[in-house]
Amino acid sequence: SQQGEEDPQALSIQEGENATMNCSYKTSINNLQWYRQNSGRGLVHLILIRSNEREKHSGRLRVTLDTSKKSSSLLITASRAADTASYFCAVQDSNYQLIWGAGTKLIIKP
Amino acid sequence: NAGVTQTPKFRVLKTGQSMTLLCAQDMNHEYMYWYRQDPGMGLRLIHYSVGEGTTAKGEVPDGYNVSRLKKQNFLLGLESAAPSQTSVYFCASSARANEQFFGPGTRLTVL
Repeated sequence: SQQGEEDPQALSIQEGENATMNCSYKTSINNLQWYRQNSGRGLVHLILIRSNEREKHSGRLRVTLDTSKKSSSLLITASRAADTASYFCAVQDSNYQLIWGAGTKLIIKP
Repeated sequence: NAGVTQTPKFRVLKTGQSMTLLCAQDMNHEYMYWYRQDPGMGLRLIHYSVGEGTTAKGEVPDGYNVSRLKKQNFLLGLESAAPSQTSVYFCASSARANEQFFGPGTRLTVL
């Protein structure tokens, strides 16, 4: 069963705006990871946040983790056309397996 | 470094045929994984391996078998393909608790 659930399922914004995607999960985790998938291609790792961390930054990406609410958010600032892709969260369980959500499809309009 | 490669990129099978998908990684990773991705869904884990000679079942293992005879290779076999196995298959590798590195995927259609 899928554990990570992203919200919204789809998001369309103007270039230059910020995009926020949310992820909820159900059980305890080692870490939570965000990946990007361009249409028809393999997934690319974006950022990993451990269960004892609350916030992490990487370039234009900001990830927060709230273990009490079992939720995470991914913020992409100053969006670009090249950010158009599907974004997936995945939670790593105690067996080091990743359990994936269904993804958020992000469209950046020029 | 090539990273993670998958062979073939595309394949069409008839129901009942068999095939093997090959995954290779050159990053000396211990862990390797096979996933399937269906439209509108996230990845579902089929089988995984935590080291050479070891394999384990994931979330959706039925109808698939795997082997990890060499550390750098992870094979996924379909013994008798069914239309329900039409999907995109991704291989990934990782060092235990770190991020996974993905191959480009194999698009399989079973008629």
